[in-house]
Amino acid sequence: GDSVTQMEGPVTLSEEAFLTINCTYTATGYPSLFWYVQYPGEGLQLLLKATKADDKGSNKGFEATYRKETTSFHLEKGSVQVSDSAVYFCALTGAGSYQLTFGKGTKLSVIP
Amino acid sequence: GAVVSQHPSWVICKSGTSVKIECRSLDFQATTMFWYRQFPKQSLMLMATSNEGSKATYEQGVEKDKFLINHASLTLSTLTVTSAHPEDSSFYICSAPREGKGTYNEQFFGPGTRLTVL
Repeated sequence: GDSVTQMEGPVTLSEEAFLTINCTYTATGYPSLFWYVQYPGEGLQLLLKATKADDKGSNKGFEATYRKETTSFHLEKGSVQVSDSAVYFCALTGAGSYQLTFGKGTKLSVIP
Repeated sequence: GAVVSQHPSWVICKSGTSVKIECRSLDFQATTMFWYRQFPKQSLMLMATSNEGSKATYEQGVEKDKFLINHASLTLSTLTVTSAHPEDSSFYICSAPREGKGTYNEQFFGPGTRLTVL
């Protein structure tokens, strides 16, 4: 079945540091790929997505590129802020499916 | 963007009682909704798929008689935790896909319901 593997946290960075959270996946066909963010005490919010190979999703300074050759969708941000502190989930849906498969989540803490 | 609400946001109940959690899509219709359970510091575990007009589809290991799901309308799904026990304490989250051309596989999540069983 489909699966998502993302780097385990927690990750602690200083403000303005560069962020990378690795995510790789296993799926048949051409899944859609997502990054969700969960701020403390809140529900999940879609951060960005990519629906086909070589697509780059971007939002709020975060980026991730759908790499089919390496089955990866790494999340990056050039300069993190304290307000980016949250748990980040990589996820996928199979072709034509609504059902999401999540990674285990990576907690990011950004310190001033 | 689309909005999904959950009610209540938190609930505390005694062991042996039942608790109902509502999930509503506020500005779109959803023939399918999903219910997840999230344990502390862990990922979301899909419990079941709620289908409007038909029975819910449960994931392996999830007790159908304990977690009753009713998709009453195109905008409402309910999850009832029956005879709750402390081990049922968790964060329950629903999601709904907004159907339509170009957005068929995008889901919107409710804010979650924190259940504590004493």
